[in-house]
Amino acid sequence: DTAVSQTPKYLVTQMGNDKSIKCEQNLGHDTMYWYKQDSKKFLKIMFSYNNKELIINETVPNRFSPKSPDKAHLNLHINSLELGDSAVYFCASSQDSGGNEQFFGPGTRLTVL
Amino acid sequence: AQSVTQLGSHVSVSEGALVLLRCNYSSSVPPYLFWYVQYPNQGLQLLLKYTTGATLVKGINGFEAEFKKSETSFHLTKPSAHMSDAAEYFCAVTYPYNFNKFYFGSGTKLNVKP
Repeated sequence: DTAVSQTPKYLVTQMGNDKSIKCEQNLGHDTMYWYKQDSKKFLKIMFSYNNKELIINETVPNRFSPKSPDKAHLNLHINSLELGDSAVYFCASSQDSGGNEQFFGPGTRLTVL
Repeated sequence: AQSVTQLGSHVSVSEGALVLLRCNYSSSVPPYLFWYVQYPNQGLQLLLKYTTGATLVKGINGFEAEFKKSETSFHLTKPSAHMSDAAEYFCAVTYPYNFNKFYFGSGTKLNVKP
């Protein structure tokens, strides 16, 4: 059983396009996250949601818009894709925001041409 | 500002040798500390964590780490490396005053030579 799943696994697109990445967790967790991992493997938090409410937005461009239809899902929509958006995007979840470990999805490798 | 430093972006050991991956944090407030492992083309998987209590914590796959407050360190060790340990390792911290936020180190790639 997959705990945190993301689709698609790979995404190749042209500059200027709009794309979405979906994330679902079946762990019953309250908190979900989006991270960006660049080519040097540096992992940086982008957003955090707790029970569908946005609690962290780390100076991410407005072109990135997370949406949480329910606490098991946190999707990431990206408008007007740029070359610098190429990275691996990880979704994660934790039981709550009380310092519990995060469970990560397999990642979505986004390539912008 | 809070930060996590992993000394050595690449570490190479022989199979059967001791593995030592270093992690230091910069904060006067003791954090919760985590080590994650990332295998190629996969997400991060928790190895072990320290929150409170015993400072030596044991994790999966024979790894352990010791929290040393005086040194602000949480180094990861394994007595005997196995080929399957080759992966990227990340240290992460979070703080009681803002558990929503995790800070990750830049990662250490472990290579295990036969």
